[in-house]
Amino acid sequence: AQSVAQPEDQVNVAEGNPLTVKCTYSVSGNPYLFWYVQYPNRGLQFLLKYITGDNLVKGSYGFEAEFNKSQTSFHLKKPSALVSDSALYFCALYGTGNTGKLIFGQGTTLQVKP
Amino acid sequence: DAGVTQSPTHLIKTRGQHVTLRCSPISGHKSVSWYQQVLGQGPQFIFQYYEKEERGRGNFPDRFSARQFPNYSSELNVNALLLGDSALYLCASSLNSNPSYNEQFFGPGTRLTVL
Repeated sequence: AQSVAQPEDQVNVAEGNPLTVKCTYSVSGNPYLFWYVQYPNRGLQFLLKYITGDNLVKGSYGFEAEFNKSQTSFHLKKPSALVSDSALYFCALYGTGNTGKLIFGQGTTLQVKP
Repeated sequence: DAGVTQSPTHLIKTRGQHVTLRCSPISGHKSVSWYQQVLGQGPQFIFQYYEKEERGRGNFPDRFSARQFPNYSSELNVNALLLGDSALYLCASSLNSNPSYNEQFFGPGTRLTVL
């Protein structure tokens, strides 16, 4: 079965410190992985994706993600957090079958304190 | 460039009624997907349409239906509304139906409240 897990409901970090938002996945075959961010009362904004190639993927707003096949993880990272990064973050995986179905994790709320 | 647009922004209905939600994809995008996001959860896939044909359907009852028009815009219809249908309904567009290379771009959503 295909699934995405975000083990932390909330991550708290001080402004200027590095942040990590964790994601693990389960899929047969090659994973196509994504991170999205959602601000209150807004839709989802695309941050970055992993399709193939380098295990470190760089995305929007200074975010990056590290793909680890042996640990089936795709953690989102940023070297220096901003208060404006506070939002809800979703990890997602494309399901198989070419249906365009994105499978989302439950989401992790990132709180960056000044 | 305009992003994905959805209408209406908010909607209040009563149980048993019918609702139609609308979505216009990014110009040049031929694929539209619909998701339901219940408060506190990640979005759940409802449908994908590409070139006016249904390409995928999630685990939703037959009360949910959709279609895509020649201009690639789309409608999501929900009949016999239940309280549990209250959610944020998100539309996403992508260039084509190949998920390997095309991220989906989401609209702001329609907030449906069923009383």
